[in-house]
Amino acid sequence: NAGVMQNPRHLVRRRGQEARLRCSPMKGHSHVYWYRQLPEEGLKFMVYLQKENIIDESGMPKERFSAEFPKEGPSILRIQQVVRGDSAAYFCASSPPGGLSGNTIYFGEGSWLTVV
Amino acid sequence: QKEVEQDPGPLSVPEGAIVSLNCTYSNSAFQYFMWYRQYSRKGPELLMYTYSSGNKEDGRFTAQVDKSSKYISLFIRDSQPSDSATYLCAMSRKTSYDKVIFGPGTSLSVIP
Repeated sequence: NAGVMQNPRHLVRRRGQEARLRCSPMKGHSHVYWYRQLPEEGLKFMVYLQKENIIDESGMPKERFSAEFPKEGPSILRIQQVVRGDSAAYFCASSPPGGLSGNTIYFGEGSWLTVV
Repeated sequence: QKEVEQDPGPLSVPEGAIVSLNCTYSNSAFQYFMWYRQYSRKGPELLMYTYSSGNKEDGRFTAQVDKSSKYISLFIRDSQPSDSATYLCAMSRKTSYDKVIFGPGTSLSVIP
């Protein structure tokens, strides 16, 4: 998993606050995925981005959640007005530009959000 | 019906046993298949990937895909206590530029 950097690793927010999670992909990777993992559940797809473009956001909740991957800097997953149900591990993954292994995604170590 | 189903376990085996982990899927458009291993409070780690039916072997691991039955398997030979983890199958419709869907995972314990 070396290379995909996520921060913060742990984040505590009070209900109603905003949470910002950052992800820097592996060197040479042009695409970023965000997944959410609730306790005892699998990885749920949220959004798939390339720089300055959202490719697929079909897994994003309609409200309070947004994601971006600017031309410069890390990808950001933003959760506004957090609620207790947002407490989860959020994983970022990146993939190389394309080819037969293009969908072979590599994960970071995750950001654990706790809403109190 | 979920797109990808996997027996959550837990599965407990003695050291040295052959482990069989399985996933079924409903979307015949899935063409690219992966297996990941996840230790507690860690990010998933890629084990194997394949984009065709048949078998692919890598050390103690063998991945098997049967597209006609929409069924994939991961076999672990000579299982070790260090193999104790959650195993996630994953798949996508294309080999690139497509979202990757994960199964819920199977928890495996290998007992020394």
